[in-house]
Amino acid sequence: QSALTQPASVSGSPGQSITISCTGTSSDVGSYNLVSWYQQHPGKAPKLMIYEVSKRPSGISNRFSGSKSGNTAALTISGLQAEDEADYYCCSYAGSCYAFGTGTKVTVL
Amino acid sequence: EVQLVESGGGLVQPGGSLRLSCAASGFTFRNYEMNWVRQAPGKGLEWVSYIRTSSITIYYADSVKGRFTISRDNAKNSVYLQMNSLRAEDTAVYYCARDGSRYYDSNGYYGDFDYWGQGALVTVSS
Repeated sequence: QSALTQPASVSGSPGQSITISCTGTSSDVGSYNLVSWYQQHPGKAPKLMIYEVSKRPSGISNRFSGSKSGNTAALTISGLQAEDEADYYCCSYAGSCYAFGTGTKVTVL
Repeated sequence: EVQLVESGGGLVQPGGSLRLSCAASGFTFRNYEMNWVRQAPGKGLEWVSYIRTSSITIYYADSVKGRFTISRDNAKNSVYLQMNSLRAEDTAVYYCARDGSRYYDSNGYYGDFDYWGQGALVTVSS
């Protein structure tokens, strides 16, 4: 049950696009299309942004998109907005457990 | 509207016990797998435990195996986490989270965490 690896921080200017990577192994990200992404603002509960690698729940902006190649998944935020400043976590089902990523702080410059 | 409300958090001494509860509403609770996820102060998210709709399948993170017990009461729309032999490193906000249940195998449905409670703070300290 090792944590998935994410960059500690990513930043961008308003309107730009940023991508957050999430690297796992052949036992988690590489084995299942059950990668999800969560946004967490300070003092708040996490919020599901992407599920099953690239699907968006109802109400989530299409500025958020997900992808996966091999053992690495990615979240892209396009048209960056001030409200996107938050912590982001990836997660993967890993067969009888879930593994979260280490988390990425997104800063809007 | 889906709602998950945790209760039972508080301050406990090392070696002590605590029971968290999560009351669910706004959906058919008996049809969904449930999870507990925790977050230590200033740290990332950590999955803790999973329970299938019928309680027939239960999983734990290695860090809590043998000390924590997850259970559910479908008649009361509630899921619980009994925490024994608590350690300082168990200090965290504990979230109850509904499983998105996207994928099925013989042991149950799995997926992601589509709804979360507001969290319950557990502090283990002398």
